[in-house]
Amino acid sequence: QVQLQESGPGLVKPSETLSLTCTVSGYFISSDYYWGWIRQPPGKGLEWIGIIYDGGTTYYNPSLKSRVTISGDTSKNQFSLKLNSVTAADTAVYYCARADYHGAKTHMDVWGKGTTVTVSS
Amino acid sequence: QSVLTQPPSVSAAPGQKVTISCSGSSSNIGNNYVSWYQQFPGTAPKLLIHDNNKRSSGIPDRFSGSKSGTSATLGITGLQTGDEADYYCGTWDNSLSAGVFGGGTKLTVL
Repeated sequence: QVQLQESGPGLVKPSETLSLTCTVSGYFISSDYYWGWIRQPPGKGLEWIGIIYDGGTTYYNPSLKSRVTISGDTSKNQFSLKLNSVTAADTAVYYCARADYHGAKTHMDVWGKGTTVTVSS
Repeated sequence: QSVLTQPPSVSAAPGQKVTISCSGSSSNIGNNYVSWYQQFPGTAPKLLIHDNNKRSSGIPDRFSGSKSGTSATLGITGLQTGDEADYYCGTWDNSLSAGVFGGGTKLTVL
């Protein structure tokens, strides 16, 4: 059974870097699937952040691309999100998920429980 | 402003049928497959439908998906109070080279 668990600071100061890690169990991240991040500001809808594939292929939301880096660590079976120069607008629940991406087909089939990140001084 | 457009809310009585629309363009829905997610308050989204009309494992056949041109529809029959949730559509956008979601639709079972 594939499980994903987000971890990282729940509070980040404005202008600093938000760093989160997703630990995957039950599946090797180096196999077959992309792995990604999605966020949800309080009371709002889902926002797609980006995905990564073994070997480093990444796709990012253009609106966040200048501030986002997603990386993977196959030795730990983890992947990470870094979002720099954060503001209050980056306050959200951040989810990691497994992404089934094959050209025209893409969906997130397994999700972590989510972690709340607040940007505040 | 989401790339995909969904109605903010829909409602129907228990036992009835409801549909939720998701409108996009040729750069997203028109040339890619659509997925649908269900989210209860305070929990992570759950995949309901992928590849336009394929139910995810364990999803009852009361839930169905369809696509026509640049729009997609989620249908739910035999509505139950336990179906009250937010529903999101998602797909890939070729112009953005990124995934996109609709703004979400809140389903109320009256």
